Amino acid sequence: AQKITQTQPGMFVQEKEAVTLDCTYDTSDPSYGLFWYKQPSSGEMIFLIYQGSYDQQNATEGRYSLNFQKARKSANLVISASQLGDSAMYFCAMRGHTGRRALTFGSGTRLQVQP
Amino acid sequence: DGGITQSPKYLFRKEGQNVTLSCEQNLNHDAMYWYRQDPGQGLRLIYYSQIVNDFQKGDIAEGYSVSREKKESFPLTVTSAQKNPTAFYLCATGDQYTEAFFGQGTRLTVV
Repeated sequence: AQKITQTQPGMFVQEKEAVTLDCTYDTSDPSYGLFWYKQPSSGEMIFLIYQGSYDQQNATEGRYSLNFQKARKSANLVISASQLGDSAMYFCAMRGHTGRRALTFGSGTRLQVQP
Repeated sequence: DGGITQSPKYLFRKEGQNVTLSCEQNLNHDAMYWYRQDPGQGLRLIYYSQIVNDFQKGDIAEGYSVSREKKESFPLTVTSAQKNPTAFYLCATGDQYTEAFFGQGTRLTVV
C-alpha cells in the first residue's frame, strides 16, 4: 500500500518570497516516482515536477524544485520567488513502478500568495 | 491537438438515475484512470485500466462501473447504488514512467 501525507492544509507566503510545501510518503515498492501537481480554482490538474526514487539529484523545473530525502521519505516542493498566480491547491502524489501503477494523492495544501 | 477530453463539464443527476461520464484520449496511452475529488480534499482512485478490455477497482469503486472497449475511451457510469455521487470527477492517462495527464473534469451534482 502507498500513502502520501501533507500536513499543511493551508499556507501563506508573501509575493517574491520562497515557500516549502511538505510531503511525506510511505511505500513498500522498491522503485517509485514522486509528483507534484497544482490545481487552480478552475479544477484542472497541472503537472509541476517529477522525482524518481533512484535519481541522484533533486529535480528542478524553473521556479520549482523538489527536496528529496529518501531516508526520511520526504519529497518537499520548494517554490522560489512566489507570484500571485501561484495561489492554488498543491498535491503531492506517488506511483510505484510495480503492481498498481495509479497515482496515490495526498490531501493537498492550499497556498495563498499575498501582495 | 493531443489531449484528454471529458464531457460533459457539468452534469446533474436525479435520485436513482444512472449517468455516464465520458473520457476520450488521443495521446496513445495504454493506462487510463478515474478519480473522484470532494471539496477541499485530494483525489481518490475509482477505477483504472492498464490495457484494453481489462480494468481494476481502485479504492472507492462501489457504486461505479467502467468499460474499456477501445484504447481511446474509458467511460465511467455512476449508478444509483452510489449514495453520495456529488463530486468532481477527473479522468487521467499515462504510461509507466511519465506523469499522468488529466482532463478538465466533470462536476456531478445530485438534484
